[in-house]
Amino acid sequence: AQKITQTQPGMFVQEKEAVTLDCTYDTSDQSYGLFWYKQPSSGEMIFLIYQGSYDEQNATEGRYSLNFQKARKSANLVISASQLGDSAMYFCAMRERGAGSYQLTFGKGTKLSVIP
Amino acid sequence: DGGITQSPKYLFRKEGQNVTLSCEQNLNHDAMYWYRQDPGQGLRLIYYSQIVNDFQKGDIAEGYSVSREKKESFPLTVTSAQKNPTAFYLCASSTAGTGFGSPLHFGNGTRLTVT
Repeated sequence: AQKITQTQPGMFVQEKEAVTLDCTYDTSDQSYGLFWYKQPSSGEMIFLIYQGSYDEQNATEGRYSLNFQKARKSANLVISASQLGDSAMYFCAMRERGAGSYQLTFGKGTKLSVIP
Repeated sequence: DGGITQSPKYLFRKEGQNVTLSCEQNLNHDAMYWYRQDPGQGLRLIYYSQIVNDFQKGDIAEGYSVSREKKESFPLTVTSAQKNPTAFYLCASSTAGTGFGSPLHFGNGTRLTVT
């Protein structure tokens, strides 16, 4: 079974609108962390936001927020006021305590296209 | 500025040749990683190292080898045993032992094409 599932291969959003990118995860650990990364066409991976499994508040970083629903095992990324520069691949990733290392397991990504 | 340098950006090789991808970091991070990215597959872990002179296989280590002789360097060799070596390779690093929230920092990647 996949540990990270991103069900939207591609998404379109109008400039200045908000968009939600879905991410569900599978773990038996009680302690874990969830990350979102952005990958523009140039290829670099840019860290956006982090949510810990024990964090009671949803994480926010500027225009990015993470809609964390622990019981549903979902960690959706919300981008407010989309900009043309937001067009990129977006990856959800998880770090598990039981993994014994600091590696991240990634989903397959969602390609976001912002329309002027 | 601190960061991770991968070189070269593009690499072309003939089938049957070994090739080594370079990864250097000046972030003073203990842990380093190699990921492979194929279209529609996301990132998959090849090898990781949490300390000098020690490394562990990831999910797709077959056909690859690494070394970690210095904290700053974690080169990846793609051997002729790797069946489908053409891919985008990303190197990353992170602090270790400082909590779950420390993100991975990535290099800009090396695109390897084998014909």
